[in-house]
Amino acid sequence: DAKTTQPTSMDCAEGRAANLPCNHSTISGNEYVYWYRQIHSQGPQYIIHGLKNNETNEMASLIITEDRKSSTLILPHATLRDTAVYYCIVRPQGGSEKLVFGKGMKLTVNP
Amino acid sequence: EAGVVQSPRYKIIEKKQPVAFWCNPISGHNTLYWYRQNLGQGPELLIRYENEEAVDDSQLPKDRFSAERLKGVDSTLKIQPAELGDSAVYLCASTHRGSSYEQYFGPGTRLTVT
Repeated sequence: DAKTTQPTSMDCAEGRAANLPCNHSTISGNEYVYWYRQIHSQGPQYIIHGLKNNETNEMASLIITEDRKSSTLILPHATLRDTAVYYCIVRPQGGSEKLVFGKGMKLTVNP
Repeated sequence: EAGVVQSPRYKIIEKKQPVAFWCNPISGHNTLYWYRQNLGQGPELLIRYENEEAVDDSQLPKDRFSAERLKGVDSTLKIQPAELGDSAVYLCASTHRGSSYEQYFGPGTRLTVT
């Protein structure tokens, strides 16, 4: 079973920041928080991952609370192409174990 | 760099017929995954290969599903015979064991069983 909970859906205006929350209250010390997204009719795409420090890359920023029980994915300037299902996943970084997906959260970016 | 290639993209078959899906992972990726995604759900792992060895097939329905990865490169997933409940998107992903934080997914094969 997925170890994370996310809202079912969220709307965001184009050009505004999209803040996607995720709860992972049972996360273990060696587990990382990963975010993937799936645009319609495509396979999932890796966005970002982190352990306890905030992370930023060209796609997004990841903010993890100090107790690591929740996190927020931030898309700083959402575009229509960011409309997708976003999955928050926890897993150990090492190894090639499977990703355990939940139902994810549908983000709709409106013009 | 070419991504994960899957074929066919769409397949419609009648129940009890066989079907096969093909996946060519990213060059150099020694780990290959097959996931199944039902409508409205996230993907679920069916089988994971390390090179040519299946190291996690606990979720593969072995009575009707089979998979192979000869020579540790491309892979085939087969269903025989197909059932109505097999209608789903079948996704292939790959990663390099040394940098396995990111799995690269193909576009998937959408199977419809009528």
